[in-house]
Amino acid sequence: DAKTTQPPSMDCAEGRAANLPCNHSTISGNEYVYWYRQIHSQGPQYIIHGLKNNETNEMASLIITEDRKSSTLILPHATLRDTAVYYCIVLAGNMLTFGGGTRLMVKP
Amino acid sequence: KAGVTQTPRYLIKTRGQQVTLSCSPISGHRSVSWYQQTPGQGLQFLFEYFSETQRNKGNFPGRFSGRQFSNSRSEMNVSTLELGDSALYLCASSLGPDRGNTIYFGEGSWLTVV
Repeated sequence: DAKTTQPPSMDCAEGRAANLPCNHSTISGNEYVYWYRQIHSQGPQYIIHGLKNNETNEMASLIITEDRKSSTLILPHATLRDTAVYYCIVLAGNMLTFGGGTRLMVKP
Repeated sequence: KAGVTQTPRYLIKTRGQQVTLSCSPISGHRSVSWYQQTPGQGLQFLFEYFSETQRNKGNFPGRFSGRQFSNSRSEMNVSTLELGDSALYLCASSLGPDRGNTIYFGEGSWLTVV
């Protein structure tokens, strides 16, 4: 299974874009990159996923490098409610393997 | 539409007892997975069901079991509870096991073993 590497923590100013990086250098050609976030004591919330093309939805944008070895999740205008742990996952089958994630702190 | 529903949300059990947790997937979703989250081990995969068949199982002892019904609802059972089984148990659902499907989580069931 492809593993992911994320910084353990990041800060972002409220209203600014939050760019969360993820390395997945052993990703296979047919494996998707998924992003979830978890606010304390709640179930993980789905954000976005993609295979090779950049993706955008109402929550965020996902930029995947051409060699697919890394990706960046972009929250365009971070709010205090975006403070959470963000998980980047390469999906093997239908089984999500969670790492430590990035604890994003949005500050006023 | 309704999300993934898990019951009960909170429960307290005594060591040695057993517990059954229930999960109702999003309407139309036929794949259900279970995860355990503890402060020490993080989020770990328990098992996955599709069309009433267990497709994958994580590295957990046989005390942990599950099943899926014909309406895609799923239950997991933990027998002979140990203190270390105290955790947040999460259920996730998707349309099926195909790659690229969106997987949604419920709010979880908090189990405390005393």
